[in-house]
Amino acid sequence: NAGVMQNPRHLVRRRGQEARLRCSPMKGHSHVYWYRQLPEEGLKFMVYLQKENIIDESGMPKERFSAEFPKEGPSILRIQQVVRGDSAAYFCASSPPTAGDAGELFFGEGSRLTVL
Amino acid sequence: AQSVAQPEDQVNVAEGNPLTVKCTYSVSGNPYLFWYVQYPNRGLQFLLKYITGDNLVKGSYGFEAEFNKSQTSFHLKKPSALVSDSALYFCAVRGASGTYKYIFGTGTRLKVLA
Repeated sequence: NAGVMQNPRHLVRRRGQEARLRCSPMKGHSHVYWYRQLPEEGLKFMVYLQKENIIDESGMPKERFSAEFPKEGPSILRIQQVVRGDSAAYFCASSPPTAGDAGELFFGEGSRLTVL
Repeated sequence: AQSVAQPEDQVNVAEGNPLTVKCTYSVSGNPYLFWYVQYPNRGLQFLLKYITGDNLVKGSYGFEAEFNKSQTSFHLKKPSALVSDSALYFCAVRGASGTYKYIFGTGTRLKVLA
């Protein structure tokens, strides 16, 4: 059973370009979370999605950042017009659809974005 | 609002000695509590969780954690540290009802010295 798959693992962009990070959850999981980890800092919650729905995006910057989890295909975290401060590791995690069950999150290996 | 505090940025311990990594939390209602470990350039790996029941929970690699409701703490422990335990440890909390948001602490770097 494949784990959470994130790609690309490493991404380099110049200021002003767009970054797209993809996440395929574990088989059978329909809940996806995105977190950002800055150097020497903890994980910051960004967004929580279920299939075709954004449930909680309270951690997403209001501008330039968006996320989706379509009915088919991976979840996408999109960062438009990247700036140097966007350089970070972005982690995706998934969990099964059992409502109310406090299962643990399963994390991918992360996508490391470097903005030049 | 939910929050997690890990008061120590780094913990140093000699190999073979017991280790403790501290975590306190704040959440409305009952908490679901988790510990994860992160090795360099890797994702987070689940260690253990507290949902309900016994206050002492056992997890992977010989780790355990004790839930203390009165002190709102969930400290991670291991009786005998290994050099290979050196890593970054994260505590996380989720409220039992009304939210599916998992909030993580800032992490504690554990260094086990040979």
